[in-house]
Amino acid sequence: DAGITQSPRHKVTETGTPVTLRCHQTENHRYMYWYRQDPGHGLRLIHYSYGVKDTDKGEVSDGYSVSRSKTEDFLLTLESATSSQTSVYFCAISEWTDNQPQHFGDGTRLSIL
Amino acid sequence: GDSVTQMEGPVTLSEEAFLTINCTYTATGYPSLFWYVQYPGEGLQLLLKATKADDKGSNKGFEATYRKETTSFHLEKGSVQVSDSAVYFCAPLLPPGRDNYGQNFVFGPGTRLSVLP
Repeated sequence: DAGITQSPRHKVTETGTPVTLRCHQTENHRYMYWYRQDPGHGLRLIHYSYGVKDTDKGEVSDGYSVSRSKTEDFLLTLESATSSQTSVYFCAISEWTDNQPQHFGDGTRLSIL
Repeated sequence: GDSVTQMEGPVTLSEEAFLTINCTYTATGYPSLFWYVQYPGEGLQLLLKATKADDKGSNKGFEATYRKETTSFHLEKGSVQVSDSAVYFCAPLLPPGRDNYGQNFVFGPGTRLSVLP
């Protein structure tokens, strides 16, 4: 299995609080991604990174920010959490070569009350 | 725009039944094609892939053939087991666009499979 660790695995917090999710990889892959998974919507891309300090928005980036200061770590921050951000969040990594799949972490279940 | 259409679920089968989950895509190029599987409480895992027309991907008894003429990548298994109960995602990897620095995976909505003993 690809070395991807997401932390925390579960979190419950209140509306308006800041939340940071961490993704750590040991594969030295260039690309890292954050997705959210919600019933009826499948997987939706929030942000991705194509290198240290290089990030870009996905289709549902509003309300989220990311940072990548090291190859192995990709942080997702909810500056002021809202109930609509209750979801399961997945980190993924991939290499910079054609035809290679993504590898996924086990997810973080985030509940915002 | 680019998109994936996947068979609606849930799909419920008896053990040893034949499985087909349909997947078609629209894309301007010739994407690599992937099937992922998600077991309860886990992340997505690569099940199989095909990178060019007429390629057949296979793994764990599952197969899918890249059909360029019909832009399809249907997943099949001849005899399902209870342990195959999971959600299956079709995911083309589209060629990068002009402003896209990332690998452009497009995920279908997923098809939930339940296999009964």
